[in-house]
Amino acid sequence: DIQMTQSPSSLSASVGDRVTITCRASQVIDNYLAWFQQKAGKAPKSLIFAASSLQNGVPSKFSGSGSETNFTLTISSLQPEDFATYFCLQYNTYPITFGQGTRLEIK
Amino acid sequence: QVQLVESGGGVVQPGRSLRLSCAASGFTFSNYGMHWVRQAPGKGLEWVAIISHDESNKYYADSVKGRFTISRDNSKRILYLQMNSLRAEDTAVYYCAKGAPVYIDHWGQGILVTVSS
Repeated sequence: DIQMTQSPSSLSASVGDRVTITCRASQVIDNYLAWFQQKAGKAPKSLIFAASSLQNGVPSKFSGSGSETNFTLTISSLQPEDFATYFCLQYNTYPITFGQGTRLEIK
Repeated sequence: QVQLVESGGGVVQPGRSLRLSCAASGFTFSNYGMHWVRQAPGKGLEWVAIISHDESNKYYADSVKGRFTISRDNSKRILYLQMNSLRAEDTAVYYCAKGAPVYIDHWGQGILVTVSS
């Protein structure tokens, strides 16, 4: 199975900051990488697919990049509603696998 | 808009069975693969299974293979997850999710399954 390793596991930042979350795959997954946001007690929300394509309705402050095994999610100009947990997912190979999550907290 | 509504959760004893349903609306259900994803209390997301639009292909996580079965009824626009031989470690919120065609673009609100004696 492909292991997805996210870093950091938690991150403290301030409103207005720009942050980057990294996801590393244990094997090459081309660009079959998605990112999700989950707020406490809520269902996840899809943000990005194909490593860098924004899901409809997602603001452009979210951006993704990377290919093969190394990927990043960048969130610019953090607002209070952006503080949540973020997960990556690889869909190149079954079984599909998620990263363990990055908890973004207000400093 | 896309709506996915799960039902059928609850408390079940270890070793027993439970069937989850997911009613879909707002898109052409028969055109898309569908997933089940779960999240144990306080833990991360775990992918469970996927079924292709026409049921021709199904894939499972190793942790549920041989115990869980994903299926769908395109005429009723319903996705199912039959869960047999349930274990305490299957306790989780189960999410139904729409594939596009494989990555997930929409999620249901989730349904809690608790396996406990």
